Amino acid sequence: EAQVTQNPRYLITVTGKKLTVTCSQNMNHEYMSWYRQDPGLGLRQIYYSMNVEVTDKGDVPEGYKVSRKEKRNFPLILESPSPNQTSLYFCASSLFGGYTEAFFGQGTRLTVV
Amino acid sequence: AQSVTQLDSHVSVSEGTPVLLRCNYSSSYSPSLFWYVQHPNKGLQLLLKYTSAATLVKGINGFEAEFKKSETSFHLTKPSAHMSDAAEYFCVVSDGGATNKLIFGTGTLLAVQP
Repeated sequence: EAQVTQNPRYLITVTGKKLTVTCSQNMNHEYMSWYRQDPGLGLRQIYYSMNVEVTDKGDVPEGYKVSRKEKRNFPLILESPSPNQTSLYFCASSLFGGYTEAFFGQGTRLTVV
Repeated sequence: AQSVTQLDSHVSVSEGTPVLLRCNYSSSYSPSLFWYVQHPNKGLQLLLKYTSAATLVKGINGFEAEFKKSETSFHLTKPSAHMSDAAEYFCVVSDGGATNKLIFGTGTLLAVQP
């Protein structure tokens, strides 16, 4: 089954404690991205990757890091989380980005206290 | 720069009545437009997309949308609402430039009353 898998689904952490949210896709897609969803703001892109070892900033990259060492995986790293990073996070993949259909993970609800 | 505006943050309809969710876009060239649906505690799922072919686009679950360039609109409709349609709906435009990113509207929450 074609899918994007994120883990964990729920996470509560404390300010400053490094964490990683994993994302994996099984569709051999080139393009992967991370979004955060906040009430009234829709989804905003954090980082994206057009291919292995190619990553770039989206609209709200501050406080986040990513890596793309393999085509299928695109982890999101918060080196020193802060309460303003409390949000719902989605990983997505698509063949080439742009007009191609994006497939989304189930989401990770992160709370930073 | 590309952008989308969803004109209603909440829409409430009765089961069996028509659904209309409104979306206006801004684009400097011919855009790719999408509607995605998000059910509670789920990821987003593609309903339909427009990529410069037919202006009336049919999607899943009986939804359709019409691309109107003169009005810069891409409204989502369904003739008869079902309880299972209750969800949040996002209108999305593709950047189409170097980033190939998706730009999301702020969402419309659809409630369906029995």
